[in-house]
Amino acid sequence: ETGVTQTPRHLVMGMTNKKSLKCEQHLGHNAMYWYKQSAKKPLELMFVYSLEERVENNSVPSRFSPECPNSSHLFLHLHTLQPEDSALYLCASSPVGDSPNTGELFFGEGSRLTVL
Amino acid sequence: GQNIDQPTEMTATEGAIVQINCTYQTSGFNGLFWYQQHAGEAPTFLSYNVLDGLEEKGRFSSFLSRSKGYSYLLLKELQMKDSASYLCAVRNQAGTALIFGKGTTLSVSS
Repeated sequence: ETGVTQTPRHLVMGMTNKKSLKCEQHLGHNAMYWYKQSAKKPLELMFVYSLEERVENNSVPSRFSPECPNSSHLFLHLHTLQPEDSALYLCASSPVGDSPNTGELFFGEGSRLTVL
Repeated sequence: GQNIDQPTEMTATEGAIVQINCTYQTSGFNGLFWYQQHAGEAPTFLSYNVLDGLEEKGRFSSFLSRSKGYSYLLLKELQMKDSASYLCAVRNQAGTALIFGKGTTLSVSS
């Protein structure tokens, strides 16, 4: 139990489908993140929400659409994806605020996405 | 720009000591993190350095030199379960996110 839960763990979709990834954190954190992890590449930051407001949008194509309805939930809506979007999508959360928090990230186990 | 370099792969034997280096060139710096990721699992936090020097935590230690843009993770008394990917990450100046290197895959053999 990592405190950050992602569903589904595996998803296969066609290029014309619309699907969503869900992330839920039970740690009382108020920042949430989406990262993309592809083979042989570094973890790529996609989006950051702090206090439910988007504070980072890292030049991500518009076929990825995040949603953060509250500080415990984060979604990534997917539509008209490409095969190169196949990857592991990791959600993370962190506390935001005063020291001595290091601001470390707590990751979920990821959603493995395959686009056919 | 952001550039974080670490070796792709390393091998070591049980009981040995291994040092994984990380160099970074980033537009801002607000702390350096090391994470461990076993295959098929979530990355987990190992260490955090924001000031120069060595931070020790059990078998793992992490060192930072901000003037050199350099860090290392030192693993002592290696065990088979230490076989994993080790990710170096730098927090951006705004403190809003971590920027990761590609990771170093460590294989520990008996």
